[in-house]
Amino acid sequence: EAGVTQFPSHSVIEKGQTVTLRCDPISGHDNLYWYRRVMGKEIKFLLHFVKESKQDESGMPNNRFLAERTGGTYSTLKVQPAELEDSGVYFCASSQVPYEQYFGPGTRLTVT
Amino acid sequence: LAKTTQPISMDSYEGQEVNITCSHNNIATNDYITWYQQFPSQGPRFIIQGYKTKVTNEVASLFIPADRKSSTLSLPRVSLSDTAVYYCLVGMDSSYKLIFGSGTRLLVRP
Repeated sequence: EAGVTQFPSHSVIEKGQTVTLRCDPISGHDNLYWYRRVMGKEIKFLLHFVKESKQDESGMPNNRFLAERTGGTYSTLKVQPAELEDSGVYFCASSQVPYEQYFGPGTRLTVT
Repeated sequence: LAKTTQPISMDSYEGQEVNITCSHNNIATNDYITWYQQFPSQGPRFIIQGYKTKVTNEVASLFIPADRKSSTLSLPRVSLSDTAVYYCLVGMDSSYKLIFGSGTRLLVRP
């Protein structure tokens, strides 16, 4: 069974540009989460989808971040325009059972 | 959500048993205790979950005393590949988001 995949693995962009991160969850997992770790900090929750609906987006830092989940399958996280403080590792996770979340390898975003 | 406290780092040697203790004095009655493991350049991975007493799986054991104010993750006979960061998580709100602390960085030496 394929795990959670994320694309790209690394992205380097300039301040003010737009970046879109993609997450493909494990097939059949209704729950999809985005988390991120910025330099030196702890992993923080961003938002939670149940199928195509946003269940909780309380962790989204501001309106420069937009997450979508098309048809309840893959999800994208767009940052527009990117700022320096957005640099970090963005993780996606999916689950059927809430406490047992399967994480992808993460996308390392560097904003210069 | 209960706050957790665990050691920042631990060192061990191959073949030894490693016990990582997590304090969670404010654990609520319905809170479960969950441990995740994270290798460098990877996302966290679920290891084990428990509510009370002892839970064991193929990877680890989790010991929880009667007052549930702490828990101990036990890794038997560690190998170099067990070098990772281990996170203790307690409780989960209605959206089921995981709340990560700083974790314990375990280094296993040859």
